[in-house]
Amino acid sequence: SQQGEEDPQALSIQEGENATMNCSYKTSINNLQWYRQNSGRGLVHLILIRSNEREKHSGRLRVTLDTSKKSSSLLITASRAADTASYFCATDGGGATNKLIFGTGTLLAVQP
Amino acid sequence: DTAVSQTPKYLVTQMGNDKSIKCEQNLGHDTMYWYKQDSKKFLKIMFSYNNKELIINETVPNRFSPKSPDKAHLNLHINSLELGDSAVYFCASSQGPGELFFGEGSRLTVL
Repeated sequence: SQQGEEDPQALSIQEGENATMNCSYKTSINNLQWYRQNSGRGLVHLILIRSNEREKHSGRLRVTLDTSKKSSSLLITASRAADTASYFCATDGGGATNKLIFGTGTLLAVQP
Repeated sequence: DTAVSQTPKYLVTQMGNDKSIKCEQNLGHDTMYWYKQDSKKFLKIMFSYNNKELIINETVPNRFSPKSPDKAHLNLHINSLELGDSAVYFCASSQGPGELFFGEGSRLTVL
């Protein structure tokens, strides 16, 4: 299977703490993306990092990418209860089509 | 206005029936997709169309047939529904490679 894996599968933290999620993938990539999915809703794009980038920031989000290890991490700083959701990484398999392969997801629960 | 809209949101039907899910995007994107999310939240691509042309066709039973009448619409028709087809089906669109915009999903339950 090409599907990537995320770690941990579930994470529970208190508001104000930082949350770190990791993603490992199997193929070469052009870019790696992170998405959030609230319960019962569609996925929402958070951030895209290109294969030649090592780190990217967007607000309280920080993403790192290590192509030699085929891994990425998503850090959410100063978490809020509203950050409670499932988080997925997605890779494009390095191909010409935008065929995204999603990871297994991390379920984040932020306790108020 | 919703960017990617799918109908219906919920679908409950008997095994053996045929059903369709419709999707429309008002973002002006050239590419649309169907993804299936199972009960364990695994999300897998099924099909992709670029400007009405099929460009991604994963290993999906031929009971599933996508149709794109124009680049703003991508429908999914499923024949002879089986229990294993129960899932949430997501439509998405993009303009070139990169960010996907997802609809809210259509939850299909086959009894």
